[in-house]
Amino acid sequence: SQTIHQWPATLVQPVGSPLSLECTVEGTSNPNLYWYRQAAGRGLQLLFYSIGIDQISSEVPQNLSASRPQDRQFILSSKKLLLSDSGFYLCAWSVRTEKLFFGSGTQLSVL
Amino acid sequence: DQQVKQNSPSLSVQEGRISILNCDYTNSMFDYFLWYKKYPAEGPTFLISISSIKDKNEDGRFTVFLNKSAKHLSLHIVPSQPGDSAVYFCAASVLRGYGGSQGNLIFGKGTKLSVKP
Repeated sequence: SQTIHQWPATLVQPVGSPLSLECTVEGTSNPNLYWYRQAAGRGLQLLFYSIGIDQISSEVPQNLSASRPQDRQFILSSKKLLLSDSGFYLCAWSVRTEKLFFGSGTQLSVL
Repeated sequence: DQQVKQNSPSLSVQEGRISILNCDYTNSMFDYFLWYKKYPAEGPTFLISISSIKDKNEDGRFTVFLNKSAKHLSLHIVPSQPGDSAVYFCAASVLRGYGGSQGNLIFGKGTKLSVKP
């Protein structure tokens, strides 16, 4: 069966520090991969999606970037975090379906 | 501009009664709709979906109704249980053929359901 791993579960970072969140999927090949963010009091916002290795599309201009160095690995990064980057970050995958499967999420607090 | 709207941020229901969560959308191109359930500090989990060719889909205690002319869908939970207490997200997408969409689901802001024993 397919599983998705996302870590860390919680992260507290100072403003201006770098960020790296990692997500891996097991049990499937060529998945579509996604990064979503849920900010306080807001819905789920799509940040990036990827249909293959090194193929990244950005939905919202921001202080973040994403990379997909391997088929089942998706990384969310920032060189310098802002206060507004705080939120709950979710990785998700899908294969030939509109149904997304989400990871357990990372609660990021930028102080 | 919000394309998927959940106008009720919260809903409180007594155990055993019906919970009705509502969702409105503005984009007439949407033809596939999903409901996700989310517990605190966890990722959302898929609950139920409906294609625009249908007006009702049922799965156990959960039923989703779609009114295309009104651009409105609703999730009914009968009977409601305390374990149903969670945030429910409505999502919509545009199908893109056999290859499937890129999964660019547009989510509402969610409705927090509280089921009281």
